[in-house]
Amino acid sequence: DSGVTQTPKHLITATGQRVTLRCSPRSGDLSVYWYQQSLDQGLQFLIQYYNGEERAKGNILERFSAQQFPDLHSELNLSSLELGDSALYFCASSETGSVMNTEAFFGQGTRLTVV
Amino acid sequence: DAKTTQPTSMDCAEGRAANLPCNHSTISGNEYVYWYRQIHSQGPQYIIHGLKNNETNEMASLIITEDRKSSTLILPHATLRDTAVYYCIVRVEYNFNKFYFGSGTKLNVKP
Repeated sequence: DSGVTQTPKHLITATGQRVTLRCSPRSGDLSVYWYQQSLDQGLQFLIQYYNGEERAKGNILERFSAQQFPDLHSELNLSSLELGDSALYFCASSETGSVMNTEAFFGQGTRLTVV
Repeated sequence: DAKTTQPTSMDCAEGRAANLPCNHSTISGNEYVYWYRQIHSQGPQYIIHGLKNNETNEMASLIITEDRKSSTLILPHATLRDTAVYYCIVRVEYNFNKFYFGSGTKLNVKP
């Protein structure tokens, strides 16, 4: 158990809908990272938050957004969903956002299926 | 950040050592070598990391060549539960958000 909790584990929704994925980082971790893993692609970095503020952006679509709340949990919002958004979405957390040797711990992911 | 090259897949007999190679010929002086693994759609799991010296922990050993252009992850006694995709990643010390996972090596541990 990495200590990172993601909910829900599975989500099935229709095209055009909006969903919210939730991530609770390990206790004490200030940074949260979101990754997408599609069947035909590796893990793609989406976005990072550090202590409530956006720190870095990767290949995140404009239809997607995220935030980190004062209690450090994070939500990834996916809107106007398309079939191609079906994927595993992972959240990871680390103690800080910019210290060398920092490991990151991954949650078990949310499997999103868009039908 | 430097990219890595890994074999697509490898087989290993249960109980034997699994040696997973990784090439990172463009690695720069401040980049660390990290290894993660992903067991069938679970979240990636940290294994080990190093800069120059060889490293060992309870899971594995990491051997980095003197010129740092390649490394080998060694699982000393592979078990069936070690079947997974293993990712070799190099990253600048402050850029975890730029972890590039690549395709990794699918290690198949066979009885």
